[in-house]
Amino acid sequence: AQRVTQPEKLLSVFKGAPVELKCNYSYSGSPELFWYVQYSRQRLQLLLRHISRESIKGFTADLNKGETSFHLKKPFAQEEDSAMYYCALSGRNTGNQFYFGTGTSLTVIP
Amino acid sequence: EPEVTQTPSHQVTQMGQEVILRCVPISNHLYFYWYRQILGQKVEFLVSFYNNEISEKSEIFDDQFSVERPDGSNFTLKIRSTKLEDSAMYFCASSPGQGFWGYTFGSGTRLTVV
Repeated sequence: AQRVTQPEKLLSVFKGAPVELKCNYSYSGSPELFWYVQYSRQRLQLLLRHISRESIKGFTADLNKGETSFHLKKPFAQEEDSAMYYCALSGRNTGNQFYFGTGTSLTVIP
Repeated sequence: EPEVTQTPSHQVTQMGQEVILRCVPISNHLYFYWYRQILGQKVEFLVSFYNNEISEKSEIFDDQFSVERPDGSNFTLKIRSTKLEDSAMYFCASSPGQGFWGYTFGSGTRLTVV
């Protein structure tokens, strides 16, 4: 069965410090992995997807199939990065739907 | 940038009442979805809708739930007889095709059942 695990509910870092939001997944097959961000009282927004290999707002994420992880990283956190971050998975086995982790609330301390 | 619009942003209803949550998907999108997030828990898939019928649904989407696209622009989720445990944030989403390009979420409706 597919599952997405985000072990940290809350994460606080100081401005300018590196940040890593952890995501592990379970999926039989080739998954598509995504990170979504939700700023206060706003909609879920796609931050990045592994297949695009892109960097958005300084964030990157590498799919590690050996460790079944898709951790989100940023070298220097900014105050505006404070938000809820959700890792999500999809693939052929899941149809056209996402499986989400429980989310990590990131607070960047000025 | 096109958006998925959901109304109302917050709805309070009494237990046992029927409630309809409304969504206006992006106009050229063909696939429509509802997700639910109970406070403190993960976002969970409820149902997907294509070509005027349900294409997939989860175990959560039982007989008390129904979806409809009544007029070619709105996409609604009806809960027939609400229970306290239906209190959650409900997200609508739409996508142009079966893949995930352009998959867009709305800002959600917070449903509170009292």
